[in-house]
This record gives sequence, C-alpha cells and structure tokens, in this order.
Amino acid sequence: DTGVSQDPRHKITKRGQNVTFRCDPISEHNRLYWYRQTLGQGPEFLTYFQNEAQLEKSRLLSDRFSAERPKGSFSTLEIQRTEQGDSAMYLCASSPIRGQFFGPGTRLTVL
Amino acid sequence: DQQVKQNSPSLSVQEGRISILNCDYTNSMFDYFLWYKKYPAEGPTFLISISSIKDKNEDGRFTVFLNKSAKHLSLHIVPSQPGDSAVYFCAASVVAYKYIFGTGTRLKVLA
Repeated sequence: DTGVSQDPRHKITKRGQNVTFRCDPISEHNRLYWYRQTLGQGPEFLTYFQNEAQLEKSRLLSDRFSAERPKGSFSTLEIQRTEQGDSAMYLCASSPIRGQFFGPGTRLTVL
Repeated sequence: DQQVKQNSPSLSVQEGRISILNCDYTNSMFDYFLWYKKYPAEGPTFLISISSIKDKNEDGRFTVFLNKSAKHLSLHIVPSQPGDSAVYFCAASVVAYKYIFGTGTRLKVLA
C-alpha cells in the first residue's frame, strides 16, 4: 500500500445519471477527506470522515451528494441525478493527524 | 470570500535559480499550513508544512517561511529544476481536518 487510490480515474456520464466513486486511503490513516477541484481553482473541501463517522459536510454538498465510509476503511462518494455543473475532479485524501495525502482523483465529465 | 490567496497565477524561473511562491491568508486563526505540488492529471503531492509556532521549515531544496504578522507564507525552491514545473497550492487550516486551498501558482522552470 503505497498511497491513496481512487477508482475510476475518469468517468463520463449523461446528465441525470447516478455515479459512484471509490477511495482507498493509506491503510493506517483514520481520517479521510473528499474534495472537488474545478479548472483554475484549488481543491474545495466537501466532507470529512474520522474512521466511519462523517464529521463534517460542506455546504457545497447538495442533497444529491452522499458519502460513506462503512467500515472506516474505503469510502464512496455518490452523486445522484448528475448535472453539468458537477463536472470536476473529485479528490480523496487521507491523513494520520495533520497534513493530507491525496489520491490521483476521479475526473467526472457530465454531458 | 477567498481566505487563502495566491495572487500570482504563474511564475517563470531559470533553472538553478531560486523560485519564490507566495501565499496570503486572512484568517488569523489558521495554525497549520501546507504546500502541495500538482502535475496535470494527478492529485496534489504534499511538499512541506509549517505550524504557526514556527517561522521557518526546511526540507532539502524546499523552505517554507511564515510571517504571522503579515499573514503571509512563502515557499522557496533552491535550486530550481525543470522537474519542479507544476502548479503549487498553499493550504491552511484552523482545525486539523479542514484545509482551505489557494487557487494555485503555475511554476515553469526554464532549462
């Protein structure tokens, strides 16, 4: 286990479809984060888990977004009824206490 | 409300010279700062961090300086190498899990 992995790396979907992304953090890290990044911007915080508990959720996350981390290991981010504005890079990161280590991201394109 | 600002969208430096990337913040409660490097189609890679109790942290060619009174931090890369060409993000946090990112500075190191 050399780092944070994300799957898929790229996803193209039609508007209105549901998509799910997976993140596998570094195994000894109990903290997991999801970010969204659009062109010309830095990563924007979406949500945070400590073990299996989702401790904070950004206002950026509408009701169409849901994230889970059922066993405190991998996490999934689901977007329902995708919209074109959801097109972005979705980044996952994990950390022991402070600092964050990012995965390669999932690039979502909504047509 | 952009709490973390990187006012220079791009910077070009000759190989072997010093690269200085700047970051300003507005929230005096931020107590931990990080720098990341990002290549296209990859997630951000952690470079170096600094706690607010310090004013300097060094790791090889990378040094981060923190000026709390000016709410300013900078990343120095000496000597710059062509492989350093990437987008650099600074990030700040007031709690251990929530990081606010700047918009990034694209560094180009010219051979």
